[in-house]
Amino acid sequence: EVQLVESGGGLVQPGRSLRLSCAASGFTFDDYAMHWVRQAPGKGLEWVSGISWNSGSIGYADSVKGRFTISRDNAKNSLYLQMNSLRGEDTAFYYCAKDRNSGIATAVIDYWGQGTLVTVSS
Amino acid sequence: DIQMTQSPSSLSASVGDRVTITCRASQSISSYLNWYQQKPGKAPKLLISAASSLHSGVPSRFSGSGSGTDFTLTISSLQPEDFATYYCQQSYSIPWTFGQGTKVEIK
Repeated sequence: EVQLVESGGGLVQPGRSLRLSCAASGFTFDDYAMHWVRQAPGKGLEWVSGISWNSGSIGYADSVKGRFTISRDNAKNSLYLQMNSLRGEDTAFYYCAKDRNSGIATAVIDYWGQGTLVTVSS
Repeated sequence: DIQMTQSPSSLSASVGDRVTITCRASQSISSYLNWYQQKPGKAPKLLISAASSLHSGVPSRFSGSGSGTDFTLTISSLQPEDFATYYCQQSYSIPWTFGQGTKVEIK
């Protein structure tokens, strides 16, 4: 059974940093691309970032480019999102998500974690 | 960026009804279109990929069609567990974008 468990969310002040982690199990982690997708409370889905199986291809939404960094550690079956210079509009549930494919050329997300809430507020 | 627009934003329907949700892309995306279902407090689930390919384990009452800019998700006979919000998502070009969602409510 595929399991994706996010951690690291919480309350943070504007301008500060936070690092999210995602522990993956139930599949061969280094065969697949991974993504972060967020959802502000009561709002729709927004793709944040994606990374290919070997970290060779990485993409970001314009809204986070230059502030967020995605990475993965295949030896630890883990995905990360380093979030710097956080803003109020970054407040959201952040979902770790598995791609059906190894690359990020086409994003088909076939499994999602339960999400971790990031609240940016003073 | 490719904009995805769903209609309607919400609808009320009864168990057994046939339900159709439309998704329109701001430019042609061939068949690079996926559909997700999200229930309150839960993560989304993949229903359909590549416009019409049913994901493993998804009931056959769900179907998708379309190509280019216009796509449709159809639920042939609405069941109680289908009341949820549905999102389309284009997988044609980065940044991957979602529609704003269609909430299916009980009439």
